[in-house]
Amino acid sequence: GAGVSQSPRYKVAKRGQDVALRCDPISGHVSLFWYQQALGQGPEFLTYFQNEAQLDKSGLPSDRFFAERPEGSVSTLKIQRTQQEDSAVYLCASSYGISYEQYFGPGTRLTVT
Amino acid sequence: DQQVKQNSPSLSVQEGRISILNCDYTNSMFDYFLWYKKYPAEGPTFLISISSIKDKNEDGRFTVFLNKSAKHLSLHIVPSQPGDSAVYFCAANGISNFGNEKLTFGTGTRLTIIP
Repeated sequence: GAGVSQSPRYKVAKRGQDVALRCDPISGHVSLFWYQQALGQGPEFLTYFQNEAQLDKSGLPSDRFFAERPEGSVSTLKIQRTQQEDSAVYLCASSYGISYEQYFGPGTRLTVT
Repeated sequence: DQQVKQNSPSLSVQEGRISILNCDYTNSMFDYFLWYKKYPAEGPTFLISISSIKDKNEDGRFTVFLNKSAKHLSLHIVPSQPGDSAVYFCAANGISNFGNEKLTFGTGTRLTIIP
């Protein structure tokens, strides 16, 4: 069956540009998570959606980061005015709901030059 | 502060022998622990988990042990196979201030199985 997909897989942005990263979760999964993984680190929580509701955005590092999931399925993570410190792999994960098992997508590697 | 720690960045083990990966945590409110495996250019894949009310969970070649008093868990892989070569992340689940589940990951251990 189809897993979590993310696009683009790789993105190079010049400092100051805006980027949009897309996540297609597993069909029927209620919960959706975004993580940021810096080089040599583990994934760090950014934000959580339950259906279309963004219930927790405590991990977003600044107000340049914005996430949405308007119809409760596809989600977009937007980063405005990108900075070099935004360079990382951005992972999306979904889960059925109360299950602790999160299924991860392959990630988008963002490089800001 | 690093609430979940994997102090060994890398580990090499002979094929057929036991691999032991370790993880320590500091937050006693964590109620569930998971191990994820990650190959290059792929997302982490769930491997095995354990609830805080248990001290052992076994699934085929993989066993996770939890020592709550020491705030320590370990993943045992036996026998180790070349396909086990990957980065392994320990993760702990807790409830955020907003009431949702939230995973906190360690920094990972790169396991290399030597044929």
